[in-house]
Amino acid sequence: AQSVTQPDIHITVSEGASLELRCNYSYGATPYLFWYVQSPGQGLQLLLKYFSGDTLVQGIKGFEAEFKRSQSSFNLRKPSVHWSDAAEYFCAVGAGNNDMRFGAGTRLTVKP
Amino acid sequence: DAGITQSPRHKVTETGTPVTLRCHQTENHRYMYWYRQDPGHGLRLIHYSYGVKDTDKGEVSDGYSVSRSKTEDFLLTLESATSSQTSVYFCAISGGAETQYFGPGTRLLVL
Repeated sequence: AQSVTQPDIHITVSEGASLELRCNYSYGATPYLFWYVQSPGQGLQLLLKYFSGDTLVQGIKGFEAEFKRSQSSFNLRKPSVHWSDAAEYFCAVGAGNNDMRFGAGTRLTVKP
Repeated sequence: DAGITQSPRHKVTETGTPVTLRCHQTENHRYMYWYRQDPGHGLRLIHYSYGVKDTDKGEVSDGYSVSRSKTEDFLLTLESATSSQTSVYFCAISGGAETQYFGPGTRLLVL
């Protein structure tokens, strides 16, 4: 079965600084890859997804992610973080509609 | 936002009592899922449904049952709640294109 690792449990960045959240996956074929964001007390909102094609995908709220097959990675980036980006971020890998696996999440704190 | 509601949003219950959580969708999506979210574990799949009366187990199904008698409703039942089932429960839906959309969650506390 596929699995997902988010190596960073908690990251703190200053407002206006760049951000990169790491995600590594394990899967035998080309996976479907997702990033979701969860604000406190809320459900998960889809930021972006990769199914095939261009390995650099753009999402909502100014986020982007790059699929690197050779590194089994799908890192999330944002050039300039806003205070409203403080949340928990989940990477997920899907192999079919009944089997999506989530990472444990990375909590982002934004310093003023 | 996808039309997904969950009820109740918060529940406190006692060990050994039955609990039913409801997920309702207005998107007419075929697939529905129940996850639990616990610190350090992300989301883990409990059960899913691929159509009316068609359900299957997920990664952490022990102690849970589900039913889907209508396209729009997916019920999760804890037959006899235990403290280990204290968690936040999320429902998700999918139209078949892999992408899942999540409801607002139900916070369950089992005393």
